[in-house]
Amino acid sequence: AQSVAQPEDQVNVAEGNPLTVKCTYSVSGNPYLFWYVQYPNRGLQFLLKYITGDNLVKGSYGFEAEFNKSQTSFHLKKPSALVSDSALYFCAVRDFRSMDTGRRALTFGSGTRLQVQP
Amino acid sequence: NAGVMQNPRHLVRRRGQEARLRCSPMKGHSHVYWYRQLPEEGLKFMVYLQKENIIDESGMPKERFSAEFPKEGPSILRIQQVVRGDSAAYFCASSPGHSPQETQYFGPGTRLLVL
Repeated sequence: AQSVAQPEDQVNVAEGNPLTVKCTYSVSGNPYLFWYVQYPNRGLQFLLKYITGDNLVKGSYGFEAEFNKSQTSFHLKKPSALVSDSALYFCAVRDFRSMDTGRRALTFGSGTRLQVQP
Repeated sequence: NAGVMQNPRHLVRRRGQEARLRCSPMKGHSHVYWYRQLPEEGLKFMVYLQKENIIDESGMPKERFSAEFPKEGPSILRIQQVVRGDSAAYFCASSPGHSPQETQYFGPGTRLLVL
């Protein structure tokens, strides 16, 4: 079974400050990890993913995430937050071994609301 | 280059009616996924389809829910005899189908309200 935990319901940060949105995961094998962002009444927009290779992944809109296998984490980061970054952020995981069974379902965390204050 | 299209964007049904949600994948994508998002919760997987085939329906409720992706036309998620607990946002995603590692791209969702 695979699972994702986003321990913070909400993160508040001042504009211009660095931000971190936390995500930890649990899978039986190796993980594929994804971050998506959701704006009000909109669908999910893909930000970035980790498949293999470098632990630091760079994505859209200046976001990046660091894969840490020993801590089973995939925290989302941005050096300087913008007010327009305020949205709901979802971490998702898929177990590499699930591919053998034809299963491609993503398991999502419960989401973290990011509020950037001007 | 249009993204994933879903319609209707909002749907209101009374208890006992049927709801039909449509999803057109991105151009060139042959794999479709349906997820449900309850208020203040994350997305939960429902079903994964390729053209004319259901690959994984492990997240689908056993009764009243069905999905199809015909050779021609959009994918349809059908909910029969809706109940208030079916009120949610239903998101469709698509991917090309070339690699197990590929990203799923999501549509804007259909928000279903059951009165």
